[in-house]
Amino acid sequence: DTEVTQTPKHLVMGMTNKKSLKCEQHMGHRAMYWYKQKAKKPPELMFVYSYEKLSINESVPSRFSPECPNSSLLNLHLHALQPEDSALYLCASLSQKNTEAFFGQGTRLTVV
Amino acid sequence: SQQGEEDPQALSIQEGENATMNCSYKTSINNLQWYRQNSGRGLVHLILIRSNEREKHSGRLRVTLDTSKKSSSLLITASRAADTASYFCGTSYGKLTFGQGTILTVHP
Repeated sequence: DTEVTQTPKHLVMGMTNKKSLKCEQHMGHRAMYWYKQKAKKPPELMFVYSYEKLSINESVPSRFSPECPNSSLLNLHLHALQPEDSALYLCASLSQKNTEAFFGQGTRLTVV
Repeated sequence: SQQGEEDPQALSIQEGENATMNCSYKTSINNLQWYRQNSGRGLVHLILIRSNEREKHSGRLRVTLDTSKKSSSLLITASRAADTASYFCGTSYGKLTFGQGTILTVHP
């Protein structure tokens, strides 16, 4: 199973809402990433988890809160977002030798 | 971008032609990877070249790497309409970050 599953596929939320994005992989990968991608732009790295510990935070605002409950799951908790946070949020897991990243299909987030 | 630039930003060709995309990066790397993204979907890994390699082939793909110039190129030969997508180079050195990307359109 080389799939990374992201849910939901689409999410519309108000600026006062709290929501969570979910990412799951069963490839035994120990590194998992969150990226944010705006239209016609490259994926922008947000967070890296390595062995279930947050290893990189690319100065992401605190309204984005990542969580790694176990080696297969990665969550991104969202609170008090702004309309400019509307984007495609991608999750990826990296193979053990960091030779290939497997991406989910993303969550299309719209903040209204 | 978090890593570097790619050129061209957009490339439009006819089926059967070759497509060449270039990528420059800023930092040291362990390896450089090329990914493809169909509109609004996740990225798919195409090919990896390690920092001590100069050229790699996989099917219709040819990748070169010049670490002295911090640049790489991706050549897709005999392009097909199904190759229409965005292509990103990603560099790995503790984390995987991406260049600006090239939007490739292959006309049937």
